[in-house]
Amino acid sequence: NAGVTQTPKFQVLKTGQSMTLQCAQDMNHEYMSWYRQDPGMGLRLIHYSVGAGITDQGEVPNGYNVSRSTTEDFPLRLLSAAPSQTSVYFCASSHRVAGVTDTQYFGPGTRLTVL
Amino acid sequence: QQQVKQSPQSLIVQKGGISIINCAYENTAFDYFPWYQQFPGKGPALLIAIRPDVSEKKEGRFTISFNKSAKQFSLHIMDSQPGDSATYFCAAGASGTYKYIFGTGTRLKVLA
Repeated sequence: NAGVTQTPKFQVLKTGQSMTLQCAQDMNHEYMSWYRQDPGMGLRLIHYSVGAGITDQGEVPNGYNVSRSTTEDFPLRLLSAAPSQTSVYFCASSHRVAGVTDTQYFGPGTRLTVL
Repeated sequence: QQQVKQSPQSLIVQKGGISIINCAYENTAFDYFPWYQQFPGKGPALLIAIRPDVSEKKEGRFTISFNKSAKQFSLHIMDSQPGDSATYFCAAGASGTYKYIFGTGTRLKVLA
């Protein structure tokens, strides 16, 4: 059971380039999300999905696209990278425990630098 | 209405001491308050969480205190150890919405 995996671990892009950050989970969780972590700003939600084929925007969705074709995978696409997107990106998955608690599991992160 | 304010930004505690981190929220619809621990180069990991139907929850050396009327909650780490040195994040959300607002984090350093 690998939990939540993210690739790549590190990436350097030039302004205007596009790329996809990969996220996969093997826990059969219905909910997946993407956050960005910037110094002094905590984690901010970019996009989330409550199941295959269903996605929605979080706090900071501009410049990012997502899709969820399977329960396991939730890729994040940067359409035209900008220096403001330099950040550490975390994917998380979640399920409900006994219909009450929401337990969120995070991946190890992708450190992205946009020059 | 969506903010979660966390303090202090950094904290230095002697080994064996008590570490206290505070958070305040605004949205009264929030009913799930987790704390996450993050070590350098790793993703956050759930440490402990509380719902507003109780005022305190304890798991080992970690305790959450919750004050619903003041819209505040805090993490207490008893007998702090150097291995507790990490960044701690509080979060708040309405369960079932799957949307959580995170605090800005507290960097804890426990001196040996």
